[in-house]
Amino acid sequence: GAVVSQHPSWVICKSGTSVKIECRSLDFQATTMFWYRQFPKQSLMLMATSNEGSKATYEQGVEKDKFLINHASLTLSTLTVTSAHPEDSSFYICSARVLTGAIGYGYTFGSGTRLTVV
Amino acid sequence: AQTVTQSQPEMSVQEAETVTLSCTYDTSESDYYLFWYKQPPSRQMILVIRQEAYKQQNATENRFSVNFQKAAKSFSLKISDSQLGDAAMYFCAYRSTTSGTYKYIFGTGTRLKVLA
Repeated sequence: GAVVSQHPSWVICKSGTSVKIECRSLDFQATTMFWYRQFPKQSLMLMATSNEGSKATYEQGVEKDKFLINHASLTLSTLTVTSAHPEDSSFYICSARVLTGAIGYGYTFGSGTRLTVV
Repeated sequence: AQTVTQSQPEMSVQEAETVTLSCTYDTSESDYYLFWYKQPPSRQMILVIRQEAYKQQNATENRFSVNFQKAAKSFSLKISDSQLGDAAMYFCAYRSTTSGTYKYIFGTGTRLKVLA
């Protein structure tokens, strides 16, 4: 259980276009999802936290107008990279908070999306 | 603010041998969670082991165990009987237990190579 499906797994887009990445919780309701960015051979950097039905909370230095996050349902969060540029090329990973048992929470990760902007 | 430091960018271990990956962290909180995640070439993040700070007993999961030293703010991962499938990036992570704070703070990772 507690599977997060992330789509697409890789995408190539032209500079100036927008691309949408989806993150779906398949067998649970995800009230909170996280979006990370990972540069080659580097760690995961949290970009934003999204809560269902409310605006995302962005980390310092992340452009909210460039990285649009929508969490309109309990099973779907999307990240849209608007007016993409080559420097936006990276690996993007989503994660969802999962209720485990009566009071515990676990976190499960999507398989990631490799974005290449040409 | 909390920080997580992994001082070993890369480690190598012979198959069937034991290796220890280091992690230190800094926090002013008394209760928190610590994790080790594995990221193989597929880039899928896989939870290896988890430790609650209020528990003195070190967590173990089969061949994986931790040495949690709360006072020293140290959280190392020991992999016993290393297997080729253990080769991956390993990330140490911290998570607060403060209500409303759910995000992870990751270290920079250690690339583990397993030699046949």
